[in-house]
Amino acid sequence: DTAVSQTPKYLVTQMGNDKSIKCEQNLGHDTMYWYKQDSKKFLKIMFSYNNKELIINETVPNRFSPKSPDKAHLNLHINSLELGDSAVYFCASSPGQAWGYTFGSGTRLTVV
Amino acid sequence: GQNIDQPTEMTATEGAIVQINCTYQTSGFNGLFWYQQHAGEAPTFLSYNVLDGLEEKGRFSSFLSRSKGYSYLLLKELQMKDSASYLCAVLAPGGATNKLIFGTGTLLAVQP
Repeated sequence: DTAVSQTPKYLVTQMGNDKSIKCEQNLGHDTMYWYKQDSKKFLKIMFSYNNKELIINETVPNRFSPKSPDKAHLNLHINSLELGDSAVYFCASSPGQAWGYTFGSGTRLTVV
Repeated sequence: GQNIDQPTEMTATEGAIVQINCTYQTSGFNGLFWYQQHAGEAPTFLSYNVLDGLEEKGRFSSFLSRSKGYSYLLLKELQMKDSASYLCAVLAPGGATNKLIFGTGTLLAVQP
């Protein structure tokens, strides 16, 4: 049973396209996150949702729009993709604000 | 500001002991986590410290000194499978909630 699952695992697309990454967790956690890991392996938080409400938005370009239809799902839509968006995007969830996170397996996005 | 420092790379020998250090300066502190990340995979939880002292879990131990802004991860009886990146992360207040802020990670290579 996959706890936090992301799709797709790999995504190759051209500059200017719009793409979405989906994330689902079956852990019953209230909080979900999107992180970006760049080529230097630095993990940086992008967004956090708690029970479908946006609670963290870390100065991410507004081309990135998260959507949480329910507390088990947090999707990431990216408009007008740029070369610099190439990275691995990790979804994560946690049961509360003082707990560790469970990460999904990541989506490797390559913009060409 | 938020600053979490770790050595970039370390090398150790199978069967030996290695200590990975982490220093942090963050706006607030609600705990420190260590994660392990194998190449191409998701980070996985190793340990959590919120009080000063040593937490031991099998071959892995983690130490925290809040007054010094310092933690270390100790890996004993190293095995080849321990070759991975080790990520230090601080749970810090982030507006209405906490957020996990990661260091750049330490790439550990275990040699025969």
